[in-house]
Amino acid sequence: GDSVTQMEGPVTLSEEAFLTINCTYTATGYPSLFWYVQYPGEGLQLLLKATKADDKGSNKGFEATYRKETTSFHLEKGSVQVSDSAVYFCALSDLSGGQGNLIFGKGTKLSVKP
Amino acid sequence: DSGVTQTPKHLITATGQRVTLRCSPRSGDLSVYWYQQSLDQGLQFLIQYYNGEERAKGNILERFSAQQFPDLHSELNLSSLELGDSALYFCASSVEPGGEQYFGPGTRLTVT
Repeated sequence: GDSVTQMEGPVTLSEEAFLTINCTYTATGYPSLFWYVQYPGEGLQLLLKATKADDKGSNKGFEATYRKETTSFHLEKGSVQVSDSAVYFCALSDLSGGQGNLIFGKGTKLSVKP
Repeated sequence: DSGVTQTPKHLITATGQRVTLRCSPRSGDLSVYWYQQSLDQGLQFLIQYYNGEERAKGNILERFSAQQFPDLHSELNLSSLELGDSALYFCASSVEPGGEQYFGPGTRLTVT
């Protein structure tokens, strides 16, 4: 079945450092890809998405490009802030057999130090 | 605020008991999804409803059931609870299946 693999954390960075969180997927069809963020004690918020190959999703300085050839959707940010500390989840939307339910990676905890 | 509401926020109960979690989707959203987040299993899809009908099932135990009512709110029923059912349960909604999903704040269930 479809699956998502993302780098396991925790990841600790200093403020203004460059961030990359790797995400690769396995899917039989052409899923939409998402990054969700979960701040401590809160629910999941959609950070960005891409619906087809070569699409770039971006939001709040974060970017990710849907790479069909490498089945990847890596999350990047040029300069992280302390407020970016959270858990980040890569996900795909299962449209082939399902009805758009999300399949998540295990999450990557990011801590940004001042 | 996503517009998705879940009640209760916290629930503490004993093994063998039954609980009901409630979700109200965003206004206009017809599709509701339930997910379970636990330390060992991560985030897992449980079940999906669209306009009152079950559309997809994931890793949902037979002890768990759900329904979506005519007013589109949904309830997740968990019975014969075990310690391993302790988790965060999230509800999400979208306009239609495959659409962008908006998540509620979750219900934290603790089984003692």
